[in-house]
Order: sequence, then C-alpha cells, then structure tokens
Amino acid sequence: AQKITQTQPGMFVQEKEAVTLDCTYDTSDQSYGLFWYKQPSSGEMIFLIYQGSYDEQNATEGRYSLNFQKARKSANLVISASQLGDSAMYFCAMREGPSNDYKLSFGAGTTVTVRA
Amino acid sequence: DGGITQSPKYLFRKEGQNVTLSCEQNLNHDAMYWYRQDPGQGLRLIYYSQIVNDFQKGDIAEGYSVSREKKESFPLTVTSAQKNPTAFYLCASSTPTGAMETQYFGPGTRLLVL
Repeated sequence: AQKITQTQPGMFVQEKEAVTLDCTYDTSDQSYGLFWYKQPSSGEMIFLIYQGSYDEQNATEGRYSLNFQKARKSANLVISASQLGDSAMYFCAMREGPSNDYKLSFGAGTTVTVRA
Repeated sequence: DGGITQSPKYLFRKEGQNVTLSCEQNLNHDAMYWYRQDPGQGLRLIYYSQIVNDFQKGDIAEGYSVSREKKESFPLTVTSAQKNPTAFYLCASSTPTGAMETQYFGPGTRLLVL
C-alpha cells in the first residue's frame, strides 16, 4: 500500500500568490515524522519543513507552513508569496517508528511552476 | 563547509560493467542512505547504514552493493546484475534521533548506460 500520496502531478501558480500542495499518508504508528523536500532542476533535495506527529501546532519555516490534520492523515504544504525560484518538484515524506527501522518513505512528488 | 559530496556528477556504464558511485559527508552523521530516482518519480531506498561496518537492504537492493568502512563514506556499486541502472542516484545522511530525524542530501549522480 502507498504510504505517501501526492495527488497533484503538476501545478501552476502566479507569482506572489500562495499555493497548497496536498499530501496524505498512511501509518499505524503513533509516533512518526512528516517532511517536505524541494527538488529544483539541478536535482539536489532540499529539506524545507518538518512536522512531528505529537506536535500540536502546525510547523512554519519562513514562507513555508504545514497544514497538519492528524485525523485526516494529511500534511499539506503551503507556500506563501510564491517566487519564480519556487519552481521545482516538491516531495512529501514520512518516517515511521522503530517497526519500520525509521526509514523514510517518499511520495511521487508535485511539480510547481511559478508564472511571472 | 559541512555537507555531502557525490561524485561523479555524470557516470556512463557499459553493458556488463560494474560502476561505483562515491558519497562522502563531513557532517559527522552516523546514518547514510542511497536512493534511486527515476524520471518523474519519487525516491526509492536502495541501501542504508546506521553505523560503520553495518548496512541493511532497502526496497530495491537487487543489483547493488555497498560498504561502510568509514563513518564519512558510503560508496554504492551498481553491478552488472542491475539490468536497468539508468537513473538519478541520491545519497543522504542523518543523525539518528527517531521519527524526527532529518535526512540531508547530496547533489546526486546521473548514471547512464551506453
């Protein structure tokens, strides 16, 4: 079964507008972590933001925020005030607990294109 | 500067040839990982190592081998048994802290078959 689902293969957003990237996950663990990475065309994976399953508040890092809805098992990434440099592929990932040896599972990614 | 380096950036393999991808980190991280990424897809785990001289298979280990003789280094060999090796290979490292552990990635190596 797919552990991480990203249903939006590609999205277009106007510069300076906000965009929400969807991510749903599947786990039976109580303790887990959710991550978002950005992959520009150069290929390097850049860590953006982390949300722990026990964190009560949504994580924020600059223009990135994570809309964490635990009951719905969703961890959507919100990018505010989009910039041309935000054009990239974005991956949602999850690390489960010791039963899965703390391995990271990735979604298929969402390509974001920011238009001027 | 601390970071993860991967070399070469591009690698060409002939049929039946083994090739080795290098991954070095100076972050003093205990754990290291190798992922494969095919075009338009997410990352799949090949091998990982949580301590020196120990490593485990990931989801797609067949046709690959690794070693972890030093904390800083985790080379990946793509053997002739890997029939479809063309892909982008990413190395990552982290310090194990349970579920909140964050992996940091190198710039990647693109492997092409001639």
